[in-house]
Amino acid sequence: NAGVTQTPKFRVLKTGQSMTLLCAQDMNHEYMYWYRQDPGMGLRLIHYSVGEGTTAKGEVPDGYNVSRLKKQNFLLGLESAAPSQTSVYFCASSYSEQTLLLINQPQHFGDGTRLSIL
Amino acid sequence: TQLLEQSPQFLSIQEGENLTVYCNSSSVFSSLQWYRQEPGEGPVLLVTVVTGGEVKKLKRLTFQFGDARKDSSLHITAAQPGDTGLYLCADVSSGSARQLTFGSGTQLTVLP
Repeated sequence: NAGVTQTPKFRVLKTGQSMTLLCAQDMNHEYMYWYRQDPGMGLRLIHYSVGEGTTAKGEVPDGYNVSRLKKQNFLLGLESAAPSQTSVYFCASSYSEQTLLLINQPQHFGDGTRLSIL
Repeated sequence: TQLLEQSPQFLSIQEGENLTVYCNSSSVFSSLQWYRQEPGEGPVLLVTVVTGGEVKKLKRLTFQFGDARKDSSLHITAAQPGDTGLYLCADVSSGSARQLTFGSGTQLTVLP
């Protein structure tokens, strides 16, 4: 039971470098989400996807891009990393309400990627 | 923009004590979820509350949803070291993707 798997777990970048964070889920969930967590600020939604080939902006999308080419994968890209993007990044997934005919599906989270930008 | 405030921000208690943490919103919740997050892991759902005045129990945890659906509380009876973690409340959006807006959390430490 892998659930939601995030790679890498840790990464250090220099300002201006680019990288992609990978999220993979094996639960056949329709919805996927990317959050960042900073001290004292809880989790904030960056981007999300309601299905393969679709993405939408969340609360803090600037400086990030995403892609969902396959249902099980959701990629988060940083084109030109900045120190303000130092954070812990969490991916989550959930069923759509239409799948289980039930509202308020739980989101299932990965264990996070700890990213430091120098 | 909805603001969720959680209090207290930090709480350290001895094993066996009771505690209550709070979640308040600047606007009415669509529905509310409580999550617990342990170090090095992602949040895990504890409960969802939907109806004003609702009370749900999960073993030693009691969740209350305010009548006006603008506040919620989590009460833990006889806390144990295993209850240590970050407790997060989250408003579930009424939008199609059910996005979550999280509070900043209460960091609970239960000392043996």
